[in-house]
Amino acid sequence: SQTIHQWPATLVQPVGSPLSLECTVEGTSNPNLYWYRQAAGRGLQLLFYSVGIGQISSEVPQNLSASRPQDRQFILSSKKLLLSDSGFYLCAWSVYSGLSEAFFGQGTRLTVV
Amino acid sequence: KQEVTQIPAALSVPEGENLVLNCSFTDSAIYNLQWFRQDHGKGLTSLLLIQSSQREQTSGRLNASLDKSSGRSTLYIAASQPGDSATYLCAKAIGGNTGKLIFGQGTTLQVKP
Repeated sequence: SQTIHQWPATLVQPVGSPLSLECTVEGTSNPNLYWYRQAAGRGLQLLFYSVGIGQISSEVPQNLSASRPQDRQFILSSKKLLLSDSGFYLCAWSVYSGLSEAFFGQGTRLTVV
Repeated sequence: KQEVTQIPAALSVPEGENLVLNCSFTDSAIYNLQWFRQDHGKGLTSLLLIQSSQREQTSGRLNASLDKSSGRSTLYIAASQPGDSATYLCAKAIGGNTGKLIFGQGTTLQVKP
């Protein structure tokens, strides 16, 4: 069966510090991968998606970047965090097709102080 | 701009009651619609996926319907239980093979014993 791992679960970082959140998927190959953010009191917003190794699409202009160094690994990064980067970050995967079901990780609660 | 709206934002019912959560979306071009459950501070759990060619899906006490012509989906929960208390999110998949999701703001359900 397929599983998705996301870490860390919680993170408190000072403004201006770097960020690296990691997500890995097991039990499938060539998945679509996604990073979503859920800000307090707001819905989930798609930040990045990837349909293959090294292929990253950004949905909104922001202080963050994403990379996919391996088929089942997706990384969310920032060189210098802003207060506005605080939120709940969720990684997700689906089979390479718009018809398929999406599965989410348990999320990372990021607080920038 | 594509939007997904969920009404009501919050709902409180006594245990045992049958209930309906509503989801409406702009633009009838849809690949699938997915319902998720989110417990407080946790990731998303997929409940039901309705393909654009389908009208409904059932899983246990849950039944989801899709009406593309009116841009609506409903999630029916039969015989509600306190364990059903959570936030329920609907999401519309757009964009062919990318599987990108647009989420509603969610309905927070409380089932009282």
